[in-house]
Amino acid sequence: KQEVTQIPAALSVPEGENLVLNCSFTDSAIYNLQWFRQDPGKGLTSLLLIQSSQREQTSGRLNASLDKSSGRSTLYIAASQPGDSATYLCAAPDYGGSQGNLIFGKGTKLSVKP
Amino acid sequence: ETGVTQSPTHLIKTRGQQVTLRCSSQSGHNTVSWYQQALGQGPQFIFQYYREEENGRGNFPPRFSGLQFPNYSSELNVNALELDDSALYLCASSSALPGAGNTIYFGEGSWLTVV
Repeated sequence: KQEVTQIPAALSVPEGENLVLNCSFTDSAIYNLQWFRQDPGKGLTSLLLIQSSQREQTSGRLNASLDKSSGRSTLYIAASQPGDSATYLCAAPDYGGSQGNLIFGKGTKLSVKP
Repeated sequence: ETGVTQSPTHLIKTRGQQVTLRCSSQSGHNTVSWYQQALGQGPQFIFQYYREEENGRGNFPPRFSGLQFPNYSSELNVNALELDDSALYLCASSSALPGAGNTIYFGEGSWLTVV
């Protein structure tokens, strides 16, 4: 059964800093991996979806990488801003790719100080 | 704005009662999933519906049940509520067959408090 771990659990950085959030998963037989953002008390916003055939996916200041062989994904945030403060969750499919059956990590709570 | 809407946004129920949560999927999406998120945890998969049929279930007891309607909207029903059912319930929809790799879109969730 798929297990997803995210480190660190919390991260506080000054504005402008580049940062990396880490995600590891146990079952590498996945078709994709997805990163989400969650603001306090809110639902999840999809940030990036990386297909297994890709190694990277970029959206603005965000870049996500996927290394299936090592069971790892990273989310890189460039030039962080206070508005980036949120919890970031990664999710990998269970059983080799059922899109609906996502397994989430516990998230990394990011705080960007002005 | 993901196009996935959930209702109600907040509700309080008493232990032993029953609750129904509703979800309207994004237009054109035929797959809907429900997740439970306790405070400080990641969402946990409850079940998924594809074209009105249950298509996968997580480790939740039978008192958690669901429906998907012909317009692809969905309901989550929980009977015999327990205190531990207090959580954020999230609905998610996607346009593709399971495993096809399309993005999943989440609603804002329904906060359930059981007292």
